[in-house]
Amino acid sequence: AQSVTQLGSHVSVSEGALVLLRCNYSSSVPPYLFWYVQYPNQGLQLLLKYTSAATLVKGINGFEAEFKKSETSFHLTKPSAHMSDAAEYFCAVSDGGSQGNLIFGKGTKLSVKP
Amino acid sequence: KAGVTQTPRYLIKTRGQQVTLSCSPISGHRSVSWYQQTPGQGLQFLFEYFSETQRNKGNFPGRFSGRQFSNSRSEMNVSTLELGDSALYLCASTPGTYNEQFFGPGTRLTVL
Repeated sequence: AQSVTQLGSHVSVSEGALVLLRCNYSSSVPPYLFWYVQYPNQGLQLLLKYTSAATLVKGINGFEAEFKKSETSFHLTKPSAHMSDAAEYFCAVSDGGSQGNLIFGKGTKLSVKP
Repeated sequence: KAGVTQTPRYLIKTRGQQVTLSCSPISGHRSVSWYQQTPGQGLQFLFEYFSETQRNKGNFPGRFSGRQFSNSRSEMNVSTLELGDSALYLCASTPGTYNEQFFGPGTRLTVL
């Protein structure tokens, strides 16, 4: 069965600092991996996705993630945090099969200090 | 292209009542999934519909049901509401590629 683990339910960084949100997955088949962001009282917005085309994936708002099969990781990074990045971030996995559902991690709430 | 729309956005019900939530997917998307989001359990998959058929189901009691219409619009129904059903219910549609899903803004259900 697939699963996703996000290390750290809360992460706090200073504005301009590096953002690193951790995600490890478990999957018996080559996975498709996603990062979503959720702002208060809103739905989820896709930041980026890994679909086996390239291990380093660039997304919106300056975020990127690197797929490391040996570490079963898909960590999300951004070189310089902005105040507007404060939100909750979810990592999700899919086996890409015909049954279309995502397995989500518990989420990491990112705070950005001025 | 219009995004995924969900109605109503907010709903207050009392225990024992039933509720119906609606979701209109992005035009051309034939798959619609529903998720429940709570602070304690996080995001949990409810069910997925594709071409009017339930294709996949999560681990929820039979009080939770859904359906999909020929225009791909979907509804979910919760009968005999319990306090624990208070949650944000998210609908997502997919074009079928890599199961990338596009989410609506959600319906916030409060059960009193």
